[in-house]
Amino acid sequence: AQSVAQPEDQVNVAEGNPLTVKCTYSVSGNPYLFWYVQYPNRGLQFLLKYITGDNLVKGSYGFEAEFNKSQTSFHLKKPSALVSDSALYFCAVRPQRGYQLIWGAGTKLIIKP
Amino acid sequence: DGGITQSPKYLFRKEGQNVTLSCEQNLNHDAMYWYRQDPGQGLRLIYYSQIVNDFQKGDIAEGYSVSREKKESFPLTVTSAQKNPTAFYLCASSGGGLADTDTQYFGPGTRLTVL
Repeated sequence: AQSVAQPEDQVNVAEGNPLTVKCTYSVSGNPYLFWYVQYPNRGLQFLLKYITGDNLVKGSYGFEAEFNKSQTSFHLKKPSALVSDSALYFCAVRPQRGYQLIWGAGTKLIIKP
Repeated sequence: DGGITQSPKYLFRKEGQNVTLSCEQNLNHDAMYWYRQDPGQGLRLIYYSQIVNDFQKGDIAEGYSVSREKKESFPLTVTSAQKNPTAFYLCASSGGGLADTDTQYFGPGTRLTVL
């Protein structure tokens, strides 16, 4: 079965430190990969996506993600965390054939001042 | 959230009632989606529509119904057959088309509570 895993329910980072939110997937073919962020009681906001090309993708709010085909991973990163980055982050994968997204369970990111 | 509106923001339902959640988009997107979000879980797809007057069941369609009479509107009805409807409901839209790689954009959500 196709799946997306976000192995950490919660990630704690001190403000100013680099952050990583992990995502691995099990999807056949060459999938499309997405990251979204959700603030409390709000809809999801698109951060970035990987379709093809350069493995390092830059997105909104200073976030970037690195696609690693051999490890089937698409980790979200930011060089210097802000308190305002605290939110729930979702990884999603769309198989190359089809248009439905397969979602990870989400990772709560807490940035401490 | 821009371009997609959902109403109401909060909705309370009594046992045995049907309720309808509104979703409207002005992005000229062909495809629209309804998701359910429960704590500790990822989003689960209820229904989706790629074009007007056509829609397909997602992973958890039982107890829900939809219509797509207009491109910009995709209302979701939660029927009394849905045994555990308390959840956060999210509507999304994208450019559409089977080969489309467009991003899905989300509305602000409706929180439904069964009393």
